[in-house]
Amino acid sequence: GEDVEQSLFLSVREGDSSVINCTYTDSSSTYLYWYKQEPGAGLQLLTYIFSNMDMKQDQRLTVLLNKKDKHLSLRIADTQTGDSAIYFCAADSWGKLQFGAGTQVVVTP
Amino acid sequence: ETGVTQTPRHLVMGMTNKKSLKCEQHLGHNAMYWYKQSAKKPLELMFVYNFKEQTENNSVPSRFSPECPNSSHLFLHLHTLQPEDSALYLCASSQTLGLAGGQDTGELFFGEGSRLTVL
Repeated sequence: GEDVEQSLFLSVREGDSSVINCTYTDSSSTYLYWYKQEPGAGLQLLTYIFSNMDMKQDQRLTVLLNKKDKHLSLRIADTQTGDSAIYFCAADSWGKLQFGAGTQVVVTP
Repeated sequence: ETGVTQTPRHLVMGMTNKKSLKCEQHLGHNAMYWYKQSAKKPLELMFVYNFKEQTENNSVPSRFSPECPNSSHLFLHLHTLQPEDSALYLCASSQTLGLAGGQDTGELFFGEGSRLTVL
């Protein structure tokens, strides 16, 4: 399997919460990241979590890390149309970032 | 000036053409990267440069040739490409290679990408 895996698509209604899940393989990863890619743009860091934490909250974003299961999730509260984008999970591995394939989030009215 | 600038944004080329992609970063970073983004596939690291020296070639075919004349500029020279090379090519930079600790979180700063179509 891939080093970082995530589902490819998520549809959510405006105002609902979105949850994007990710699994990774390298248990020595120090930082786990979520990047956002809007249409026609490059990736931009959304948030990150250090591996000794199990949760990080930043306004509407909540990152949960289960280090034992190597599972990372991103929750977006009160999802807005501007949240429509591709979200990439990434884990640092031997000094490099390993990215997933990205989850396309579509927000419907 | 934006942080990482890529040109051209779109490129269409035949299999026998020679073209180049250009990346420039205005962030004072020391490491630069080329990534390939294809639909439904993980972002694929192609090349890494640190202080102008290539530190990684991720088994990339020789029809892709990188060049890093200084820490601010990175090129990807393209020659005799195949249709399956059509993708979005992303350039990125970071303060250091890997995680240096302290304030460095290893964040990558990406350009907007060059959309390549090989006919």
